[in-house]
Amino acid sequence: GDSVTQMEGPVTLSEEAFLTINCTYTATGYPSLFWYVQYPGEGLQLLLKATKADDKGSNKGFEATYRKETTSFHLEKGSVQVSDSAVYFCALIQGGSEKLVFGKGTKLTVNP
Amino acid sequence: EPEVTQTPSHQVTQMGQEVILRCVPISNHLYFYWYRQILGQKVEFLVSFYNNEISEKSEIFDDQFSVERPDGSNFTLKIRSTKLEDSAMYFCASSSRTGKNEQYFGPGTRLTVT
Repeated sequence: GDSVTQMEGPVTLSEEAFLTINCTYTATGYPSLFWYVQYPGEGLQLLLKATKADDKGSNKGFEATYRKETTSFHLEKGSVQVSDSAVYFCALIQGGSEKLVFGKGTKLTVNP
Repeated sequence: EPEVTQTPSHQVTQMGQEVILRCVPISNHLYFYWYRQILGQKVEFLVSFYNNEISEKSEIFDDQFSVERPDGSNFTLKIRSTKLEDSAMYFCASSSRTGKNEQYFGPGTRLTVT
């Protein structure tokens, strides 16, 4: 079945460092891809999405590009802030389904 | 900004008891979902609900589980006879007709079965 694999955490960075969180997927067809973020004590929030190959999703300085040839959707940010400390989830949804399939999540801690 | 709310935030119950987890989706949303996350594991889909019917469910969602939209605002998940392995964080989500793939999540209910 469909699956999402994320890099193992936790990831610890200093403020203003460059962030990459790797995400690859296995799916039949052409899924839509998402990054969700969970801040401490809160629910999952949609961060960005991409619905077809070569689409780039972006929000709050974060970006991810849908790479069909490598089945990847890596999350990047050029300069992280302490407020970006959270757990980040990569997810996919197949056309015709309503089921989000999640990766395990990557915990990011940004130190001042 | 409208948000999905869930109550209670933490529920402790004894094995074999029934529990009802409650959610208030975003008011103009039409699609509703439940997910769960067992500690240290992935967030897993349980069920989706549209037009007062289950539209999709996972293998986890067996006869012990049921969902209901008892009025115009609430969406509930019932577990009839809880097991220890039902201990998890349960997330409700909703989406609109036009943004069907964009699911908005609540903060979750932590269910502890003892």
